[in-house]
Amino acid sequence: KNEVEQSPQNLTAQEGEFITINCSYSVGISALHWLQQHPGGGIVSLFMLSSGKKKHGRLIATINIQEKHSSLHITASHPRDSAVYICAVPPYNTDKLIFGTGTRLQVFP
Amino acid sequence: DVKVTQSSRYLVKRTGEKVFLECVQDMDHENMFWYRQDPGLGLRLIYFSYDVKMKEKGDIPEGYSVSREKKERFSLILESASTNQTSMYLCASSSRHNSPLHFGNGTRLTVT
Repeated sequence: KNEVEQSPQNLTAQEGEFITINCSYSVGISALHWLQQHPGGGIVSLFMLSSGKKKHGRLIATINIQEKHSSLHITASHPRDSAVYICAVPPYNTDKLIFGTGTRLQVFP
Repeated sequence: DVKVTQSSRYLVKRTGEKVFLECVQDMDHENMFWYRQDPGLGLRLIYFSYDVKMKEKGDIPEGYSVSREKKERFSLILESASTNQTSMYLCASSSRHNSPLHFGNGTRLTVT
């Protein structure tokens, strides 16, 4: 079993739909990262959070440390949101990240 | 804004060649990382450096070495390139302890 599991692996949506991507992890952590990678592009850090909820534009990330679960939500999805979304966690006492295998999102007009 | 610059976007090398991948960051970050990314396998850590001249092996260090002589520069070396090292290589940097990770644009290496 992977230490970081994401679901779904692939997701297609119509423009305007509400999107949820889930991440579960099995190690003890103090923070969790959500990353975005566009096709052929580099990786951008979207959020780093250790509790509660963070919002940036149409993106919302939540985390429940006790349940070892995080979600990334996209409201009013747009074709430019099409990308791979990656969850990553640094176990306690290390700066090295363990990555999920990513969720590939395609949003169609 | 933090900038992480990788020296090449695309690289084609022959089997057995020595290959250098360079990464430079401009924000005085202590941590620097080299990852490779392969379809279905996600991001895997090759080497990690937490200070000048300090390094730690990651999950897949075999066939690779690294050099960090200056804080801003972290080099990945393929001593004798092989076809199974064909991959996307990504460099990243961060400050210490739970800080955001900043990635370069990646180098797509093909070994023929």
